[in-house]
Amino acid sequence: DAGVTQSPTHLIKTRGQQVTLRCSPKSGHDTVSWYQQALGQGPQFIFQYYEEEERQRGNFPDRFSGHQFPNYSSELNVNALLLGDSALYLCASSWRLAAGSTYEQYFGPGTRLTVT
Amino acid sequence: AQTVTQSQPEMSVQEAETVTLSCTYDTSENNYYLFWYKQPPSRQMILVIRQEAYKQQNATENRFSVNFQKAAKSFSLKISDSQLGDTAMYFCAFMKRRLGGGSNYKLTFGKGTLLTVNP
Repeated sequence: DAGVTQSPTHLIKTRGQQVTLRCSPKSGHDTVSWYQQALGQGPQFIFQYYEEEERQRGNFPDRFSGHQFPNYSSELNVNALLLGDSALYLCASSWRLAAGSTYEQYFGPGTRLTVT
Repeated sequence: AQTVTQSQPEMSVQEAETVTLSCTYDTSENNYYLFWYKQPPSRQMILVIRQEAYKQQNATENRFSVNFQKAAKSFSLKISDSQLGDTAMYFCAFMKRRLGGGSNYKLTFGKGTLLTVNP
């Protein structure tokens, strides 16, 4: 049973550039959430996708956008990169179950983005 | 909005001993979940234990147990018989519980506690 996978593992970009990160959810999962984890901090929620639409969004600017494909995989796009966007970006998947489920989220290994 | 506070940035324990990590949270919600996640140097965030707020009984998973005090909004993690592999960052997290069908709400994390298990 494949877990959550993310690519690439590491990425170095220059200020002002654009970046795309990718996530494949755990088998059987249809919901993908993205989190940003700055060094020494806990993860911060960016947004969540299911049924190919953004359903929830955290306090992040419009430079952060996403997409979900029919196979439930997802992309996170960041435009006009700033030095402060340097972080570990985590993807988490879950299954949108009926009432009473536990809604556990399974995390991928993350993509380390460095902006210089 | 919910907040999660972990007041111990770092802790250390000797192998085979017991250690308790603290977590407090603030919310006006009545239905929610609380989690402890472990993040080893490999970066993979792993769920350690989960507590449903509507359950009075404290959750237990092998060597890991919690002390959930709903009125005090406290949720501590006890690790018994600590092992070298327990060395990691530990994050406490909060999630509102969706009472109907639909996707889960977001996780709100604390800043984490770095636990080092010494041989």
